[in-house]
Order: sequence, then structure tokens, then C-alpha cells
Amino acid sequence: DQQVKQNSPSLSVQEGRISILNCDYTNSMFDYFLWYKKYPAEGPTFLISISSIKDKNEDGRFTVFLNKSAKHLSLHIVPSQPGDSAVYFCAASVKSGSRLTFGEGTQLTVNP
Amino acid sequence: DAGITQSPRHKVTETGTPVTLRCHQTENHRYMYWYRQDPGHGLRLIHYSYGVKDTDKGEVSDGYSVSRSKTEDFLLTLESATSSQTSVYFCAISDSQGQREQYFGPGTRLTVT
Repeated sequence: DQQVKQNSPSLSVQEGRISILNCDYTNSMFDYFLWYKKYPAEGPTFLISISSIKDKNEDGRFTVFLNKSAKHLSLHIVPSQPGDSAVYFCAASVKSGSRLTFGEGTQLTVNP
Repeated sequence: DAGITQSPRHKVTETGTPVTLRCHQTENHRYMYWYRQDPGHGLRLIHYSYGVKDTDKGEVSDGYSVSRSKTEDFLLTLESATSSQTSVYFCAISDSQGQREQYFGPGTRLTVT
């Protein structure tokens, strides 16, 4: 039972354009959502998060949107840069100190 | 960067042999986690610890055991390695002060032949 799903294994965009990565979840108990970025041969690094009491959180070029009624979140990267090329994982949790449930990941490629 | 190291970084072993992976943190964080990453599956939790000697199973715990005798060290043991345990293993840590974010180590690539 995949509670967090990223339906697009890969995404390719041009430098300077917007990248939109999507994530769907099924567990209504999730109340905190995170995005991680992973380069090859490195561990995932935390990128941005959002609590379920918000519908948007912004940090520089990165914005996460949460649609609770649709159980859907998305990560927007504007403008995209070649250094953003990486695998992006969305994750969700139900409370502090608990496990994170990850999606399958989306490989983003930003072409110069 | 969070002070997390994993050892070894790479290991090749034969089916049926025991293997122990080590995670060491210098952040004095309460929670520690072991994940495996496989294509098409993302990151899946194997075991986690919420304090010294306090551990619990994750979603893919069969064939794995863990121990935490000190705050800074979390060991993952494959009692008898199988080819299905070929994977990249990540350790992560988080604090107990309402923090949801987990911080990951660099990973261990394990190949079971």
C-alpha cells in the first residue's frame, strides 16, 4: 500500500523555466509534508516543508503547495537551474519523531 | 551539514554472511533511522530508534536487526545476507524538539553476491 506516490519517474525542463513536481498521498492522518533532494552518491538533503495548516510555503526559488482536499502537494522551482538536476522525494509524517513515508522519487533534469 | 557518518561506504559480501553497518552521529539527536533505497520504491524504513536501547520495526524489517547502546551509534545487522538485500542504505537522525525533518548520512552501498 503506497501511501505517498510520485507518479512521474522523470521530468525534463529548460533552464530558466518552471519545474513542477507532484506528489499524492492517501493517508489523511499525515499532517506534515517534506521535499528532499538527492544527488548521485550522496544522502538526501532536506529542501522545504509544509504543515497541513498552511497551503503554501516559499523559500527562495522553491515553493510547496498543499491541496488537502485533493491530498496533493507540488513543488515549484522557479527559475530552474542545471544544478537543480537531481532526484526529488516527497515525504509525509503524522507526528514529531515518527517515521517519514517517502514517495518513489522524480528525476529532474534541467537542460542548459 | 548534520554530523552523520556511515561505515563502510561500500561493501561486497556473499550470500549467507553476516553484515553490520554502522551509523555515527555527533548531534546528540534522540531519533535515528535506517532506510534502504531501491529503484521504484523510494526510501523505505527498516528500523528506527527513539532512544538508547529503544528500537522499533519499520515497513521492511524482515532479515534485519538493530542495536543502539549509545546515543551516537546505531547499528544495522543483516544476520544472513541475501541478494534481495543488495541496496543503498541510509541512516538518518532527527531531534525530539518537535522537529519533523530528518537529516541523512551519505549512504552505504551494499552488494550481496
